[in-house]
Amino acid sequence: AQKVTQAQTEISVVEKEDVTLDCVYETRDTTYYLFWYKQPPSGELVFLIRRNSFDEQNEISGRYSWNFQKSTSSFNFTITASQVVDSAVYFCALTPGEETSGSRLTFGEGTQLTVNP
Amino acid sequence: NAGVTQTPKFRVLKTGQSMTLLCAQDMNHEYMYWYRQDPGMGLRLIHYSVGEGTTAKGEVPDGYNVSRLKKQNFLLGLESAAPSQTSVYFCASSYSKFRLAGASSYNEQFFGPGTRLTVL
Repeated sequence: AQKVTQAQTEISVVEKEDVTLDCVYETRDTTYYLFWYKQPPSGELVFLIRRNSFDEQNEISGRYSWNFQKSTSSFNFTITASQVVDSAVYFCALTPGEETSGSRLTFGEGTQLTVNP
Repeated sequence: NAGVTQTPKFRVLKTGQSMTLLCAQDMNHEYMYWYRQDPGMGLRLIHYSVGEGTTAKGEVPDGYNVSRLKKQNFLLGLESAAPSQTSVYFCASSYSKFRLAGASSYNEQFFGPGTRLTVL
């Protein structure tokens, strides 16, 4: 069984602060994919990043960075110099890497990030 | 490309009524999914389909039925709506093929805008 835990239910920061969203996962699969999605107040789900279990390199994309550590089963997401527009619910998700039926995503409960001006 | 579209965007039902949610994608994806999102619980998979004419149960399938008669469409039906089915429903689609070990994969799911359903 797969499980994704986002222990931080809500985070509130002031604009320009850095913020890290935690994600811890459980899986028995040797190959798997991890994702982060953003859900702004408008409600749609926006894909942010995919990382496969073979690639532990950290990734930086503008103000966003991701830290994947297999040893601790964590895939944390950091926003540098946060902005009000970053306010959203952020979901971490996991899917098996083999072409199993459906490629089903298991989502965490989400972290509500509020960036105050 | 419109991506993934969902019809309707909002709906209010009375207990016991039936309805069908329509999901359509124009990306030629093989896989399609229906999720529900409830406060504090993230998204949970209801049913999914790995191809035209095939469907399978997800994590929370009870009270729902689905059909995939055409590759581009995935229908979610509620035969007898209950208040516990009040939720936001998301449809998603993805390619079926993976490339492993460093190469790009195509398995990220693209989501529709959601349908907000209230059952009174």
